[in-house]
Amino acid sequence: AQKITQTQPGMFVQEKEAVTLDCTYDTSDPSYGLFWYKQPSSGEMIFLIYQGSYDQQNATEGRYSLNFQKARKSANLVISASQLGDSAMYFCAMRDLNQGGKLIFGQGTELSVKP
Amino acid sequence: GAVVSQHPSWVICKSGTSVKIECRSLDFQATTMFWYRQFPKQSLMLMATSNEGSKATYEQGVEKDKFLINHASLTLSTLTVTSAHPEDSSFYICSARGILNTEAFFGQGTRLTVV
Repeated sequence: AQKITQTQPGMFVQEKEAVTLDCTYDTSDPSYGLFWYKQPSSGEMIFLIYQGSYDQQNATEGRYSLNFQKARKSANLVISASQLGDSAMYFCAMRDLNQGGKLIFGQGTELSVKP
Repeated sequence: GAVVSQHPSWVICKSGTSVKIECRSLDFQATTMFWYRQFPKQSLMLMATSNEGSKATYEQGVEKDKFLINHASLTLSTLTVTSAHPEDSSFYICSARGILNTEAFFGQGTRLTVV
């Protein structure tokens, strides 16, 4: 069975500093996708970044980068130069390409950016 | 990115009544739609997956007679909470994926309160 684990319920970071949000996963399928979403208090799910299991390089999108370590089954999100607007819940998710593409989410990490 | 519109954004209903939530893909054909439920400070839990023209596939523990899902067209899926009770109060959010999409796009979510 697939599983996504986020072990940090809450994180604090000083404005303009970088922060790493941890995510580990477990699957027996060789083909999968890993996602990070941001959920502000309004509830909408904002897509941040995607990493395919066969991608050789770590994904980057602006201030977001994904530290993909396949052997360790980890997909940590790095946010550089934190901004006050980054304060939100962050969810790591995995999609099994062999099971209809449904997303399985981790427990989430609540990030608070301090001025 | 593609746009998914969910309506209503919030609803209050009396115990025993039914509530319908709509999820529309505005600029792409959604071959698959997913319905999630989220309690405060918790993760998104997948309720069901629906493919256009087929019966929905429900996750274990989700009552299919209570949460009716219809995906009659490539742009619209509906979730009906039948005979709602206070314990059904939650945040419901849909996501939609087209046949060519890597990611699924989320609606804005619906906050349901049953009184």
